[in-house]
Formats: sequence, structure tokens, C-alpha cells
Amino acid sequence: AQKVTQAQTEISVVEKEDVTLDCVYETRDTTYYLFWYKQPPSGELVFLIRRNSFDEQNEISGRYSWNFQKSTSSFNFTITASQVVDSAVYFCALSEAPGGSYIPTFGRGTSLIVHP
Amino acid sequence: EAGVVQSPRYKIIEKKQPVAFWCNPISGHNTLYWYLQNLGQGPELLIRYENEEAVDDSQLPKDRFSAERLKGVDSTLKIQPAELGDSAVYLCASSLGGTGTTGETQYFGPGTRLLVL
Repeated sequence: AQKVTQAQTEISVVEKEDVTLDCVYETRDTTYYLFWYKQPPSGELVFLIRRNSFDEQNEISGRYSWNFQKSTSSFNFTITASQVVDSAVYFCALSEAPGGSYIPTFGRGTSLIVHP
Repeated sequence: EAGVVQSPRYKIIEKKQPVAFWCNPISGHNTLYWYLQNLGQGPELLIRYENEEAVDDSQLPKDRFSAERLKGVDSTLKIQPAELGDSAVYLCASSLGGTGTTGETQYFGPGTRLLVL
């Protein structure tokens, strides 16, 4: 069965600090997809990134970067120079490829609070 | 381009009453999902539609929950009768869809926040 663990329930930082949100996953499939979503107080989940299991290249998008390591089954998310607008709940999710259980699994989320 | 639209945004009802949620997916998206999100938890899939066909509904409590997507576009999720434990956020999402497209990016609506008294 697939599983996603976000061990950090809440993280509090001061603006301009760097922060890393951890995501550890479990799956028996060799082909799978990983996602990060942001959920601001308005409630809508906003898509941030999608990564397939065959692409371990790290990715950077502005202040956001992602570190995918299959050896440790982790897909961590780093925000550089955090801003108050980054305050939200961030979810990591896993979806297996055809042949596995399609039902995507979300972690419990990490609440990030950025103080001015 | 318009995103996923959901209504109502908030609903307060008494237990044992029926309630319905409506979702309009992104234009051209064939796959539609309904999720349940409890406080402090991640979304959990209730049902997934490929066009008008429900292809994943194993997580849907069929004794009181029902869903439909008659013309393969809009969808309605109903609870009858509602129980106290149904208080949660109900999220709708959509993706392009198609054969063998697991792992697609899903785009979410703002959700309906339900409170059952």
C-alpha cells in the first residue's frame, strides 16, 4: 500500500529564513508520481510540482526547490527567503502508475507560518 | 481560463437533513474527483469519474453518499441523511483524463465547508 508521511505538523519561521518541508513516501511500484500542493487559508489546493519516479533531477522554480531522492524515498521541498505569503498548509502526495491502486494518497500536511 | 468551480462555499445543516454539493470542472477536463478533507488531514478520495463513468468509488460510503456526473461535465455529490461526522471540507478536482493517465496533475476547486449540527 502506498503511504505518504509528513512528519512536521507545523513549522514557524521568520521572514527571509529558508525552510525545508519533509516528505517521505512508501510504494511498491517502480513507476509513480509525486506532487506538492499548497493550501492557503482560502482552502483551494494549488498545484506546485509533479515529478515522476524516473526523474531524480532536482528542480528549482524561483524561491522554491525540490529534492527527490529515491534512495531515501524522500521528496523534500525548500522555500528560500520565505515570505509572509508563503504561510499555508503544504501537502505532499503520491500516485501510482497503471496496474497499481490509482487512488492518490496525500500526507497530513505541514502548516507553515511565516512571521514578518 | 476558469478554474474548478464549486458551490456552495459553506453549508450549515442539521443532522439527518440532506445536502448536495455541485462542481464544474475545468473546461476540457474529462476526469473529475471528489475528495473529503477533515480538519488537520490531507484530502481523501471519495470517487473518481472518467467522463460520466465512476471508475473509483470504493471509498464512497454508499449507504448515505451518492454522486452523479450525468453529461460528463458537472457533478453533484449528495449526502442523505447527513451525520455529525460528515462535517468536513468537500473538495472537487479535475484533470485532463484519458487512457493510462494515472499520475495526472489535478486542479482543485475551493471546496465546500460543511457543518452538521
